[in-house]
Amino acid sequence: GAGVSQSPSNKVTEKGKDVELRCDPISGHTALYWYRQSLGQGLEFLIYFQGNSAPDKSGLPSDRFSAERTGGSVSTLTIQRTQQEDSAVYLCASSPGLEVAQYFGPGTRLTVT
Amino acid sequence: AQSVTQLGSHVSVSEGALVLLRCNYSSSVPPYLFWYVQYPNQGLQLLLKYTTGATLVKGINGFEAEFKKSETSFHLTKPSAHMSDAAEYFCAVTPTGGFKTIFGAGTRLFVKA
Repeated sequence: GAGVSQSPSNKVTEKGKDVELRCDPISGHTALYWYRQSLGQGLEFLIYFQGNSAPDKSGLPSDRFSAERTGGSVSTLTIQRTQQEDSAVYLCASSPGLEVAQYFGPGTRLTVT
Repeated sequence: AQSVTQLGSHVSVSEGALVLLRCNYSSSVPPYLFWYVQYPNQGLQLLLKYTTGATLVKGINGFEAEFKKSETSFHLTKPSAHMSDAAEYFCAVTPTGGFKTIFGAGTRLFVKA
């Protein structure tokens, strides 16, 4: 079956513009995660969705970042008024539930010029 | 708060030599433990995981890891390195019953011919 897909694979934007990053999880997976991976660093947790529960937004670095998950499936991560420090690879992962590993998408490489 | 420490941001071994990548975590209760591998320009892929039961777990590509509660460690090993093992490896922990996964900073493995 299809894995986690993300689009676009690469995004170059000017400072101050808004961007939307999309994640299509594996069908049937109830949990969805967003992470940020900066050059030479590990993964930084951003947000977590589980079924119909309220998302855990505790990892979002500022109020410029938001995410939604429609119909318990596709998720969009939005960054408003992008800054150069937002440049990173944004990874999405889904999971069928707790105690189980996450399945990662290939990521979106965001470059803010 | 939980944390994950991977000792050594870079590890270099010769082809055929033992691979040992170290991971220590801080947690008052043994968490779920994972090792992921990231090949260049790809997303993360699960190597192996420990949730309960046998403390020595075997994963894909000949890798294994041993959970040692007394040492709060989950080191990754492989008896004989292949050139194809060159990648970045991430240790991760999820609190038991929780969902917020904490990743280590990663260890890049180089394999010399």
